[in-house]
Amino acid sequence: RKEVEQDPGPFNVPEGATVAFNCTYSNSASQSFFWYRQDCRKEPKLLMSVYSSGNEDGRFTAQLNRASQYISLLIRDSKLSDSATYLCVVNPRDSSYKLIFGSGTRLLVRP
Amino acid sequence: GAVVSQHPSWVICKSGTSVKIECRSLDFQATTMFWYRQFPKQSLMLMATSNEGSKATYEQGVEKDKFLINHASLTLSTLTVTSAHPEDSSFYICSASVTGAKNIQYFGAGTRLSVL
Repeated sequence: RKEVEQDPGPFNVPEGATVAFNCTYSNSASQSFFWYRQDCRKEPKLLMSVYSSGNEDGRFTAQLNRASQYISLLIRDSKLSDSATYLCVVNPRDSSYKLIFGSGTRLLVRP
Repeated sequence: GAVVSQHPSWVICKSGTSVKIECRSLDFQATTMFWYRQFPKQSLMLMATSNEGSKATYEQGVEKDKFLINHASLTLSTLTVTSAHPEDSSFYICSASVTGAKNIQYFGAGTRLSVL
């Protein structure tokens, strides 16, 4: 079983749609969680950290369910510029600095 | 925000040659830098953790004699792919964490290596 699992997609949605991505992680002791965005042939860029209480940044909302070891990202009012691969990233407790990346979920927003 | 510069962005080399990739933190000091590799349509895989002034920590399955890492200063880490072969062709990305905020990593733009 992969340490971080994501649905690869692609999710093909029209502009303005709401789309949700899910991610599960296997290490119950994991302590930090992130969503990164990666455009084609580019480096990953931090989209947002994910907190247990849930957090929102504009059109983006992240949720964490520690009991189910589940992380989600909700994008409202999708824009064409949101088209990218979204990476679920986990920092396991057993290593303070290491990040484990999911394989990513690809989003395509069409006009 | 923290800026990480990676150079070169693209390199093509012949099989058997060595290639050096540089990773610099431009506006902050990075005690720890990380080297990742990403094959097409796959996720980033951590290769090694580079610590300033000490030996790098390699992930299981990564040959330390093939992927030489040097982190001689708080702003520069280098990855040398020695005797590169076509199977080493990949996207290599470095990241650096701000001292005191190690969970946040800032990424370089990556180096696309093609070995002929």
